[in-house]
Amino acid sequence: DIVMTQTPLSSPVTLGQPASISCRSSQSLVHSDGNTYLSWLQQRAGQPPRLLIYKISNRFSGVPDRFSGSGAGTDFTLNISRVETEDVGVYYCMQATQLPLTFGGGTEVEIK
Amino acid sequence: EVQLLESGGGLAQPGGCLKLSCATSGFTFSSHAMSWVRQAPGKGLEWVSAISGSGGNTFYADSVKGRFTISRDNSKNTLYLQMNSLRAEDTAVYYCAKDMTTVTRGPDYWGQGTLVTVSS
Repeated sequence: DIVMTQTPLSSPVTLGQPASISCRSSQSLVHSDGNTYLSWLQQRAGQPPRLLIYKISNRFSGVPDRFSGSGAGTDFTLNISRVETEDVGVYYCMQATQLPLTFGGGTEVEIK
Repeated sequence: EVQLLESGGGLAQPGGCLKLSCATSGFTFSSHAMSWVRQAPGKGLEWVSAISGSGGNTFYADSVKGRFTISRDNSKNTLYLQMNSLRAEDTAVYYCAKDMTTVTRGPDYWGQGTLVTVSS
């Protein structure tokens, strides 16, 4: 199974300041079809996960442009350019290149 | 608007069974793979099972293989998860998730979840 490792565990951020979350996979996420199936999910308290970013850097429908994803191979990053109150929650990276789908352990974004 | 509505959760005894359903609307159900993902209380996300759009291919996590069965009825736009031989460690919120394509490449929409509690 592909192991997904996220850092940091927690990210206290000042409102309006940037935040960055890293995700590393135990093996390359490049699929045989040439795509890299790395997604980022947001989960607010008491809510189901919500897709933010798919295939490394594609923003999903309705996701604000302050969220961006980057990376390649085994190293990926989610950036929030200016954190807002509504961004508080837990963020997960997820790989779908190979079954089983696997998730990072989560990064909690909180306001300082 | 894509909607996924899980049902069937509840309290079950160890060794017991439950069947979860996920009623869907707002998209062409048969054109999308579907997954079940669970989240134990206070823990992270764990993929449980997936099924292709046609239903011809099914996949399971090792932790549930031989105990859980995923299925779908494309005429009813509904996904199912039959859970047998339940264990305490199966206690979790179970989410139904729609994939972007007919094969599993990562979910784009998630239901609200249904809580399964396994306890005597």
